[in-house]
Amino acid sequence: QVQLQESGPGLVKPSETLSLTCTVSGGSINNYYWSWVRQPPGKGLEWIGYIYYTGTTDYNPSLKSRVTISVDTSKNQFSLRLTSVTAADTAVYYCLKPFDYWGQGTLVTVSS
Amino acid sequence: DIQMTQSPSSLSAFVGDRVTITCRASQNINNYLNWYQQKSGRAPKLLINLASNLRSGVPSRFSGSGSGTDFTLTISSLQPDDFATYYCQQSYGTPYTFGQGTKLEIK
Repeated sequence: QVQLQESGPGLVKPSETLSLTCTVSGGSINNYYWSWVRQPPGKGLEWIGYIYYTGTTDYNPSLKSRVTISVDTSKNQFSLRLTSVTAADTAVYYCLKPFDYWGQGTLVTVSS
Repeated sequence: DIQMTQSPSSLSAFVGDRVTITCRASQNINNYLNWYQQKSGRAPKLLINLASNLRSGVPSRFSGSGSGTDFTLTISSLQPDDFATYYCQQSYGTPYTFGQGTKLEIK
């Protein structure tokens, strides 16, 4: 059974960079796509992007200029970086193996 | 982007009721449609993929149908554990997009 766990700071200052890591256990990161989804408090779900284990990526155009997803197969991890954050980026961030295995989510608040 | 529109946005029903939630795509997505259940403070749980394929472990009272642009999620007999928010999502093309959600509440 694949399990995913997000980690990273829960508080980020405006204009700074949000960085999260997802650790995959119970299976290899190889040969699969991996994704990030976010959910602002009380709102709906937004797909951020995905990465294939080879490093191929695809991003939501609404975030493309600010987002980078990377993978480290040696650590069975993939990561999210979102630059120049504002309060609108405050959300629960989920990592997932599309679309049946999700992490528990981590709340990231953007505030000074 | 493909827009996904769910209706209703909220719904009150009794235990034992039959409930249907609809989802409409702004363009043909064939059957690339997923349904999720989300409970407060939890990650979404995939119930159905490819419009009608019930995922392992999901009770048979859940069913999905549709193709093209119009889809439905049906719960044949509501149970107390089913009160949650439900989302549809298209996986036909990126950016993958979700419906706005349907909050199912106890009447």
